[in-house]
Amino acid sequence: ETGVTQTPRHLVMGMTNKKSLKCEQHLGHNAMYWYKQSAKKPLELMFVYSLEERVENNSVPSRFSPECPNSSHLFLHLHTLQPEDSALYLCASSRGGGRFDTDTQYFGPGTRLTVL
Amino acid sequence: AQSVSQHNHHVILSEAASLELGCNYSYGGTVNLFWYVQYPGQHLQLLLKYFSGDPLVKGIKGFEAEFIKSKFSFNLRKPSVQWSDTAEYFCAVKAYPGGSYIPTFGRGTSLIVHP
Repeated sequence: ETGVTQTPRHLVMGMTNKKSLKCEQHLGHNAMYWYKQSAKKPLELMFVYSLEERVENNSVPSRFSPECPNSSHLFLHLHTLQPEDSALYLCASSRGGGRFDTDTQYFGPGTRLTVL
Repeated sequence: AQSVSQHNHHVILSEAASLELGCNYSYGGTVNLFWYVQYPGQHLQLLLKYFSGDPLVKGIKGFEAEFIKSKFSFNLRKPSVQWSDTAEYFCAVKAYPGGSYIPTFGRGTSLIVHP
């Protein structure tokens, strides 16, 4: 299997549930990203991990918690979400991930999340 | 922080028409520029990118884009579109130094091509 995979592809959860999204890349990349894609809005970067540093966007609510156990796997832990968190969550990876990374990002298919 | 503006949110064309999608960014330093495409039901994927050199960049499927530094623009063009070009198109910018090395995306342009 090649590329960036995400599971599950679809997730419906209540506001009191705890769930996790998983991303795996098979490209040997050093950086991984979580994005939120909502209708009629730009892609919103949530988190990025690289060998050099982890960047957190301070505007991401604490109900979203990332975990990157190694350079091939990235998780997004979800708890007590709100209906407005419903969106497509995209994972991406890139080769370098450093400050001067000029490489392309490779995206997964996304997880369509619905919060009831 | 840099920002990216895509002026056309929805574009509808007939096959064989010419296409130009606008992309402007706000950062004044060195930039790397990207166009990504998302076909219905598929992943976001790279269409083309500019890092340095020739400001006219050619990508896959007959697309090209021109970097005009003085206008802070990176417009996407195709002389003759096909029905299969129906997709969402995203412009993205990475800025150095001082700007974030993490790409900033525009809100996307939805292109529908009628056969």
